[in-house]
Amino acid sequence: GAVVSQHPSRVICKSGTSVKIECRSLDFQATTMFWYRQFPKKSLMLMATSNEGSKATYEQGVEKDKFLINHASLTLSTLTVTSAHPEDSSFYICSAATGLAGVYNEQFFGPGTRLTVL
Amino acid sequence: GNSVTQMEGPVTLSEEAFLTINCTYTATGYPSLFWYVQYPGEGLQLLLKATKADDKGSNKGFEATYRKETTSFHLEKGSVQVSDSAVYFCALTDNYGQNFVFGPGTRLSVLP
Repeated sequence: GAVVSQHPSRVICKSGTSVKIECRSLDFQATTMFWYRQFPKKSLMLMATSNEGSKATYEQGVEKDKFLINHASLTLSTLTVTSAHPEDSSFYICSAATGLAGVYNEQFFGPGTRLTVL
Repeated sequence: GNSVTQMEGPVTLSEEAFLTINCTYTATGYPSLFWYVQYPGEGLQLLLKATKADDKGSNKGFEATYRKETTSFHLEKGSVQVSDSAVYFCALTDNYGQNFVFGPGTRLSVLP
């Protein structure tokens, strides 16, 4: 099946710094990538949907200036947590989907990135 | 909007016991239904899926049947192993594969 990678798998940073998380589709071109956040022992919450070459669409309640998403190519999307604070500590998971004109085929999930802000 | 409800657990079973995790959904149109599994410290892995009514998804001994009349997609396995200990998420997408909605997850612990 299709493979999605995330880097780094774990990151620890100081409060106030910015952290960039990469999501790559390794063997297919993803028209759309999704970013999720998972709190401890909770389900996944969709943060935003990004299409290659256009601005991301954020879910209600997600701060655009806090969570910057860039989708520069069909195989790479990045999530930057700006001025991170301890409450941003979480497990961030991306997924990538193929498909045309908004009709998606299956979503493939990355292994996740655990962010800890001290 | 679309939603997924599943038993939250935790569910604790002995090895070789029968497993059922209930999942029901609310959706318009013809959603696709999924079960994902998340092992400790890892991301989500697709376990099985069904894209239309009466389809049965199966993988690694797990099965689930898409029941439109009861809007359900219950996960079953006849004999669980310790290695099945994980969190299981029921999920759906709408007709176009958009709007992925996850259930709250069910934590399964299998004891030797």
